[in-house]
Amino acid sequence: GIQVEQSPPDLILQEGANSTLRCNFSDSVNNLQWFHQNPWGQLINLFYIPSGTKQNGRLSATTVATERYSLLYISSSQTTDSGVYFCAAFTGNQFYFGTGTSLTVIP
Amino acid sequence: DSGVTQTPKHLITATGQRVTLRCSPRSGDLSVYWYQQSLDQGLQFLIQYYNGEERAKGNILERFSAQQFPDLHSELNLSSLELGDSALYFCASSVAMQGYTFGSGTRLTVV
Repeated sequence: GIQVEQSPPDLILQEGANSTLRCNFSDSVNNLQWFHQNPWGQLINLFYIPSGTKQNGRLSATTVATERYSLLYISSSQTTDSGVYFCAAFTGNQFYFGTGTSLTVIP
Repeated sequence: DSGVTQTPKHLITATGQRVTLRCSPRSGDLSVYWYQQSLDQGLQFLIQYYNGEERAKGNILERFSAQQFPDLHSELNLSSLELGDSALYFCASSVAMQGYTFGSGTRLTVV
């Protein structure tokens, strides 16, 4: 299977700050998604982004498939953004998940 | 609401027992994927079913099995449970060009 690496592993932000999370993957993929796992364990789909750029409110994502990386931008962070952010690359018949970035936003 | 329904949300059982987890995919989705999230292994793919047939297998133990029924709901059966099977179990379904959506998970605790 492919390797999916996320950085940084941990991030602490002051409310209102901006951040960039990175995901590198080792091979070509059919699909790339970003998920947010909230404190209750739910995996929330943020972006389906095999290539290009998408924006949804304060969040945006960019995937450069030819260079095998994706970025998730969080602007004007809020305490409700806290949780773990996973990048998942789909190839073959399964997702390969990164180990996540644990984000804590402090008021 | 993701549209993918998992029951039960929580399950506590003893070692050696057998449990069944249930998943109903979004309306119209033919695929169901099962994933396990444990503290030491992260999120791992277990198995995929498509329209009632097994399509792909991942790191699924022999003590675990799954099936998908004609109404497309799926069940994951875990038997001879061990402490290390304690984890969050997710199922997911997909729609072309929209990506995969996960259910809210079943938290299994083996004591």
